Amino acid sequence: GEDVEQSLFLSVREGDSSVINCTYTDSSSTYLYWYKQEPGAGLQLLTYIFSNMDMKQDQRLTVLLNKKDKHLSLRIADTQTGDSAIYFCAERPTDKLIFGTGTRLQVFP
Amino acid sequence: EPEVTQTPSHQVTQMGQEVILRCVPISNHLYFYWYRQILGQKVEFLVSFYNNEISEKSEIFDDQFSVERPDGSNFTLKIRSTKLEDSAMYFCASSETHRAGELFFGEGSRLTVL
Repeated sequence: GEDVEQSLFLSVREGDSSVINCTYTDSSSTYLYWYKQEPGAGLQLLTYIFSNMDMKQDQRLTVLLNKKDKHLSLRIADTQTGDSAIYFCAERPTDKLIFGTGTRLQVFP
Repeated sequence: EPEVTQTPSHQVTQMGQEVILRCVPISNHLYFYWYRQILGQKVEFLVSFYNNEISEKSEIFDDQFSVERPDGSNFTLKIRSTKLEDSAMYFCASSETHRAGELFFGEGSRLTVL
């Protein structure tokens, strides 16, 4: 079945690293995505990774992909208060995205 | 930077009324989508559209829903007879390629059905 799982909450201190985890189900997904949603706002594409890669780095963001375990993670280095938001991972086994439940990241000073 | 734009940002309607939500996808994109997010829940796929045809739709996208690309720039979602449970944020998205690469979302249209 189609089910993308994420933990619901993560709380970190400003300046620390955040790691948001995701497990997906469909091994045919060729691309996997991370989106950020701030309160009342749309879905901002943060980054995505092609399934034949195991890591992608983009400034403060690092995506790790374990295809064998169908596990995806997003690491945010030097987390800032402006990073507080809901983070969604998504798989794309067909042309549609299947989103996870979202992880609410709270950054405290 | 090119972006997907949606109107209206918020619409309040009475149950049973028709609603049209509008989207202007990124200009060189060929694949268009609608998703919805009921308050506090997951983002759910509704429909994908390519070459003036629906390419995929979910179980949610029943006969009450329709999509159209009436001209070269707009992409619309129509709900014929709204129900209370249609209250949600509706997101339009577009992509240049099929099943690959970046998929960009608009800011959403909040629909409230009373």
